[in-house]
Amino acid sequence: EAQVTQNPRYLITVTGKKLTVTCSQNMNHEYMSWYRQDPGLGLRQIYYSMNVEVTDKGDVPEGYKVSRKEKRNFPLILESPSPNQTSLYFCASSSFADSNQPQHFGDGTRLSIL
Amino acid sequence: QKEVEQDPGPLSVPEGAIVSLNCTYSNSAFQYFMWYRQYSRKGPELLMYTYSSGNKEDGRFTAQVDKSSKYISLFIRDSQPSDSATYLCAMNSGGYQKVTFGTGTKLQVIP
Repeated sequence: EAQVTQNPRYLITVTGKKLTVTCSQNMNHEYMSWYRQDPGLGLRQIYYSMNVEVTDKGDVPEGYKVSRKEKRNFPLILESPSPNQTSLYFCASSSFADSNQPQHFGDGTRLSIL
Repeated sequence: QKEVEQDPGPLSVPEGAIVSLNCTYSNSAFQYFMWYRQYSRKGPELLMYTYSSGNKEDGRFTAQVDKSSKYISLFIRDSQPSDSATYLCAMNSGGYQKVTFGTGTKLQVIP
């Protein structure tokens, strides 16, 4: 079954404590991206990756880092989380042929930063 | 002004009704237009996408793009309670660099 898997699904943590949200896809997709979803603001792109070792900033990259060392994995790193990063996060993937539209989304990670 | 505007709803319709969901946008460079369905506690699911202007039909769903008016629509025929979800429009100018989403319209189909 085609899947984008995010972990953890829920996390409550404190300001300044580094955390990583993992994302893995089993479809051999080239494109992966991270979004955050906030009420009234919709989905906003944080970072995207077009292939291994190729990443670029989206609309709201401040405070986040990513890496793409393997094709299937695209972790999102918050090195010093702050309360304004409390949000619902989604990872998405697409094949090269369908690069214009994110095809598969994970089920989300709800982060609360206290 | 947001690049993409979408009425948040909620929109309540009786089962079997035709539903019209809409988005307007300001960036004339947008070429690719998508509709996603998002159930509660789930990630968005790609329903349809179109390139440039025109119509596209898939079962009970029809997507329309009017680039001259910067207006896109999703029609759902014979709506079902299982269609109850939030519908997100999205668009980009080509390439994976930036996809801009609307804020979503919450739809409830009442049996």
